Amino acid sequence: EDQVTQSPEALRLQEGESSSLNCSYTVSGLRGLFWYRQDPGKGPEFLFTLYSAGEEKEKERLKATLTKKESFLHITAPKPEDSATYLCAVRGGSNYKLTFGKGTLLTVNP
Amino acid sequence: DTGVSQDPRHKITKRGQNVTFRCDPISEHNRLYWYRQTLGQGPEFLTYFQNEAQLEKSRLLSDRFSAERPKGSFSTLEIQRTEQGDSAMYLCASRASGADTDTQYFGPGTRLTVL
Repeated sequence: EDQVTQSPEALRLQEGESSSLNCSYTVSGLRGLFWYRQDPGKGPEFLFTLYSAGEEKEKERLKATLTKKESFLHITAPKPEDSATYLCAVRGGSNYKLTFGKGTLLTVNP
Repeated sequence: DTGVSQDPRHKITKRGQNVTFRCDPISEHNRLYWYRQTLGQGPEFLTYFQNEAQLEKSRLLSDRFSAERPKGSFSTLEIQRTEQGDSAMYLCASRASGADTDTQYFGPGTRLTVL
């Protein structure tokens, strides 16, 4: 069974203080690793899809990287509007579904 | 906006009542998913449709839950005889077919509260 563990559960940063979120996974035959952002009371908003170890993708202040066992979401010089829960999910083998971690709640203080 | 839409956004019901939620996927997305999310947890898979065929159901989907996707367009999720444990956010997602289109796009969700 696919498993995803995210750490830390919560992270509080000052504006401009860069950091990284971790997503560790076990999956039989990775078909894709996905990062989403979720604001309170809303549905997850797609950020990145990574397919193979060594792959990196960037969008504004965010950069996602992938190894064979984990993925990192690096946040550079965050702003208060980056405050949200960041969810990591995997799709493995012949599964149709995504398996999600519990998320990391990021708070960026001005 | 041509994203995934869900209706209603919020539903409050009494225990034992039946409720139905609707999901309209992104136009031309033939794959549709339902997930359930409780506070502090990530979304959990419920069921999957490819066109009108329901191809996978989670063991979380008890016999009180039923989902349909007539004509491969919108989908409905019905919960019969609701229980307090059914209180959650119900999320719908859709995906296009094709080798480079693994990304699922989510709707805003329906928040269900069972009193």
